[in-house]
Amino acid sequence: AQKVTQAQTEISVVEKEDVTLDCVYETRDTTYYLFWYKQPPSGELVFLIRRNSFDEQNEISGRYSWNFQKSTSSFNFTITASQVVDSAVYFCALSEPYTGRRALTFGSGTRLQVQP
Amino acid sequence: DVKVTQSSRYLVKRTGEKVFLECVQDMDHENMFWYRQDPGLGLRLIYFSYDVKMKEKGDIPEGYSVSREKKERFSLILESASTNQTSMYLCASSPPPGHPQHFGDGTRLSIL
Repeated sequence: AQKVTQAQTEISVVEKEDVTLDCVYETRDTTYYLFWYKQPPSGELVFLIRRNSFDEQNEISGRYSWNFQKSTSSFNFTITASQVVDSAVYFCALSEPYTGRRALTFGSGTRLQVQP
Repeated sequence: DVKVTQSSRYLVKRTGEKVFLECVQDMDHENMFWYRQDPGLGLRLIYFSYDVKMKEKGDIPEGYSVSREKKERFSLILESASTNQTSMYLCASSPPPGHPQHFGDGTRLSIL
């Protein structure tokens, strides 16, 4: 069965520190998609990235980068030089579109607090 | 940009009431979802719909029902609200599975 684990419940850093949010997933499918979403204090979920299971290239977008490793079933998210505006809850999610499960399976989330 | 609109940001109801949460999307997406978010549990799927009048149970459907009479609108119904249904409810829509889901702002529901 599908499962997403975000072992870090809460992380607190000081502005300009780098921080990595961990995500480990379980799936029996060979074709799947992984996502990261950000939920700021206002409550809406904001899509950050999608990665398919055949593309293990790391991705960088500004201060954000993602490390996908199939060998360890991990899809970690790093914020470089964190800012107060990065304070939010971050969710990792898994999609297995060919199993018939159309919804996302979410991890429990990691709350990131960036102190000024 | 995809817009998913939930009818209320905050809602307070009483035990035993029938509660309707409404969600509308403007991108002609075939798939719509209702999730519930509780601290430490992430988002859990209540129901989803893959077409008009079509629905499937998610992981925690007990105590809920849904209605999808038009493609753009997906309603979540609490038949007889109970205090353990106090939670944040999030609606989402998406094109075919594997694509990002787009979320509404959420409804924080309190059952007294």
